[in-house]
Amino acid sequence: KAGVTQTPRYLIKTRGQQVTLSCSPISGHRSVSWYQQTPGQGLQFLFEYFSETQRNKGNFPGRFSGRQFSNSRSEMNVSTLELGDSALYLCASSLFLASGYEQYFGPGTRLTVT
Amino acid sequence: SQQGEEDPQALSIQEGENATMNCSYKTSINNLQWYRQNSGRGLVHLILIRSNEREKHSGRLRVTLDTSKKSSSLLITASRAADTASYFCATDAAGNQFYFGTGTSLTVIP
Repeated sequence: KAGVTQTPRYLIKTRGQQVTLSCSPISGHRSVSWYQQTPGQGLQFLFEYFSETQRNKGNFPGRFSGRQFSNSRSEMNVSTLELGDSALYLCASSLFLASGYEQYFGPGTRLTVT
Repeated sequence: SQQGEEDPQALSIQEGENATMNCSYKTSINNLQWYRQNSGRGLVHLILIRSNEREKHSGRLRVTLDTSKKSSSLLITASRAADTASYFCATDAAGNQFYFGTGTSLTVIP
């Protein structure tokens, strides 16, 4: 099976703009999660979508939003970009096993806000 | 806030040596997973250990879990230069919401 894909891989935006990132999960995976990774804060959970519904949400401001489509593809949007939003944004699709969820990550989108 | 903390933050060893890194977490878990991340790239799933398991092996990897101490360790035996990466533990404290530790940066010197 193809892995998790994320587009674009790199992005440079200006403060105040908005950005949309895309994630295609592994075929058959219905859960998609988003994470922000920065050197200072590490990996932080943004939100999770399952069957087009946001199921879990991390502690991020409302500028960060997402959605999931019927084919499980997901998008993440950040409005009114701030310098501190510069980060690696990782998407993960999940498979539910008897032992719990197992996540598979995409390569990430490197966002730089100038 | 992040639930897990890895120790040490950084580790440098010679090729062929064993590398051990530890992870502590705060709440009850269903499972604990270890991931590897090469510089600035996505995370690669290494191994999952259930809360009712104490030890698990996968190739050169050995993971232990002590739920009474809320801690886990990852042992990489006979390390190789290609093992150079950051290693993270993650716990699923709430459904499919994972909490990642701060990571251990491993450098294997050829």
